[in-house]
Amino acid sequence: QQQVKQSPQSLIVQKGGISIINCAYENTAFDYFPWYQQFPGKGPALLIAIRPDVSEKKEGRFTISFNKSAKQFSLHIMDSQPGDSATYFCAAPNSGGGADGLTFGKGTHLIIQP
Amino acid sequence: EAGVAQSPRYKIIEKRQSVAFWCNPISGHATLYWYQQILGQGPKLLIQFQNNGVVDDSQLPKDRFSAERLKGVDSTLKIQPAKLEDSAVYLCASNSPFQGLLRGSPLHFGNGTRLTVT
Repeated sequence: QQQVKQSPQSLIVQKGGISIINCAYENTAFDYFPWYQQFPGKGPALLIAIRPDVSEKKEGRFTISFNKSAKQFSLHIMDSQPGDSATYFCAAPNSGGGADGLTFGKGTHLIIQP
Repeated sequence: EAGVAQSPRYKIIEKRQSVAFWCNPISGHATLYWYQQILGQGPKLLIQFQNNGVVDDSQLPKDRFSAERLKGVDSTLKIQPAKLEDSAVYLCASNSPFQGLLRGSPLHFGNGTRLTVT
């Protein structure tokens, strides 16, 4: 069964600063690593995802960096804004069995202070 | 497009009672997932369907939890009897198996049902 370890558990960043969240996985059926963002009372929503053959993906202020040899990937939020305050989850595909599901980390509660 | 619909939004029951949750996935999404999210933790997969067949139920506590998707569209998750540790948000998600994760069909989540067992 896939294991995904996420850190830190909580993070406080000043407005305009860089937020960095890290994730490590054990095994994966294929290279697809998403980050989901969840606001209180809502379901998680896909923020950004990285697919095979690339080590970095950038979308606006959000960047995923992927280190395949270390089995780690991270989310960087540049110029963090109060509206980015949410819980962030990394995820990795379940290993084997043909199931196309995801195993999620425990989440990082991010607070951006104005 | 309409999102994943779930009901009820909230449910409070006493331990040993039974409860059922309903999910309607995005139209055309043949793959449906039920996740359990305990407060302060990430979502944990309980069961995955493709059409009306079970793909993965390895983490479903089968002595008390059951799920069905009889016509390959809507799904129901049932707990009987409920325990205190079942207090959580139950999330339903869907995606398209024809595209899958690698081809840009991410999991789309509903807003969940918050269950409190007293």
